[in-house]
Amino acid sequence: QVRLVQSGPEVKETGSSVKVSCKASGGTFRNCAIVWVRQAPGQGLEWMGGTIPHLDRTSFSADLQDRVTFSTDRSATNALMELRGLTSGDSAIYYCARSGVCGSESCPPYLRNWGQGTLVIVSS
Amino acid sequence: SDVLTQPPSVSVAPGETATIPCEGDNIEAKSVHWYQQRPGQAPVMVIYYDRDRPSGIPERFSGSNSGNTATLIISRVEAEDEADYYCQVLHSYNYRVVFGGGTKLTVL
Repeated sequence: QVRLVQSGPEVKETGSSVKVSCKASGGTFRNCAIVWVRQAPGQGLEWMGGTIPHLDRTSFSADLQDRVTFSTDRSATNALMELRGLTSGDSAIYYCARSGVCGSESCPPYLRNWGQGTLVIVSS
Repeated sequence: SDVLTQPPSVSVAPGETATIPCEGDNIEAKSVHWYQQRPGQAPVMVIYYDRDRPSGIPERFSGSNSGNTATLIISRVEAEDEADYYCQVLHSYNYRVVFGGGTKLTVL
């Protein structure tokens, strides 16, 4: 069973950037889709975007596309999300999630594995 | 783009059946997946491809999808089922994920 372990909580100032990492154990991100989701306090799940590295595909939420970057290391065991230009509205729990194993052209449309979440607090 | 609509809350007594709808335009043409999120925890997939259960998920959890409504069904509800539930579809080949707004299940 693949387990995703995320980096620890962050407190950031307005206007700064945050990087959240996601490490896969018991498996890799190879041949998978990696999705980032955030959840503001008391709110629902918000899709931020994701990447399918082996198919060279990346997508972003329209609201965040100018401020967010996704990356995966060569070993395909570490994924990274960077969010820039932080405001108080970015205070949330950030999750990484992984699809099942993809085929040659597409990936399973569900998120089988989730990280434990990373709390990001943005203060002025 | 897909918009998935869920009721904010559903209440059910222990031992009864809970049904949580997820409405979307012609949703039956898409595969719908469901996630359970207990307070303070990360989401966990409980149903995929409309009605399949991952290993470890009780048989009490089932799903259906017809017309404009997908439904998560929880039979013989237990106190541990109290959680937020989210439906999800995939919008495009670039893996754009769409979530419903979530439904809080309260076990009376």
